[in-house]
Amino acid sequence: EDKVVQSPLSLVVHEGDTVTLNCSYEVTNFRSLLWYKQEKKAPTFLFMLTSSGIEKKSGRLSSILDKKELFSILNITATQTGDSAVYLCASQGGSEKLVFGKGTKLTVNP
Amino acid sequence: NAGVTQTPKFQVLKTGQSMTLQCAQDMNHEYMSWYRQDPGMGLRLIHYSVGAGITDQGEVPNGYNVSRSTTEDFPLRLLSAAPSQTSVYFCASRLEGGTDTQYFGPGTRLTVL
Repeated sequence: EDKVVQSPLSLVVHEGDTVTLNCSYEVTNFRSLLWYKQEKKAPTFLFMLTSSGIEKKSGRLSSILDKKELFSILNITATQTGDSAVYLCASQGGSEKLVFGKGTKLTVNP
Repeated sequence: NAGVTQTPKFQVLKTGQSMTLQCAQDMNHEYMSWYRQDPGMGLRLIHYSVGAGITDQGEVPNGYNVSRSTTEDFPLRLLSAAPSQTSVYFCASRLEGGTDTQYFGPGTRLTVL
């Protein structure tokens, strides 16, 4: 059975801190790993990773995939209160289905 | 484009009642799916469809039915609501193979008393 595990489940930091969110996966016929940000509504897409070692970057957010060790990290530098959200990791295997982790709830305090 | 629309936004049911959650998209996407989200549980796939006339079960299909008679619509039916089905339901759609362009609807918050 395909599985995605995120850690930590929750995290509280101060503005300006750098955070690293973790995602490990066990997926048959791996195709891609995705990161989403969810505030009090539907998830919004951040990154899709398919190849090991290639960093995806968008402003203060970046992510990288390690297909050998079956994990991905999402880094957020110089955090702001607007980064407070639940960050979801999902993986796609041989089918069209996405399997989601439970999410990491990030709280950034001023 | 309206994107992915869901109705209703909120619903309260009594145990044993039935209802249909509506989902529609106007982007001609082949792939549509229904998720439920419970506190601390991420998103769990209920049912999905890769095209009109084709549906399949996801991770938590029990108590739910779906059909896909058109490309645009993918309703989710609760046959006999139970308190365990209290959740937020999201519909999503994308092109087949277009994982990075999956669009989510705004969600339906369902409470079963």
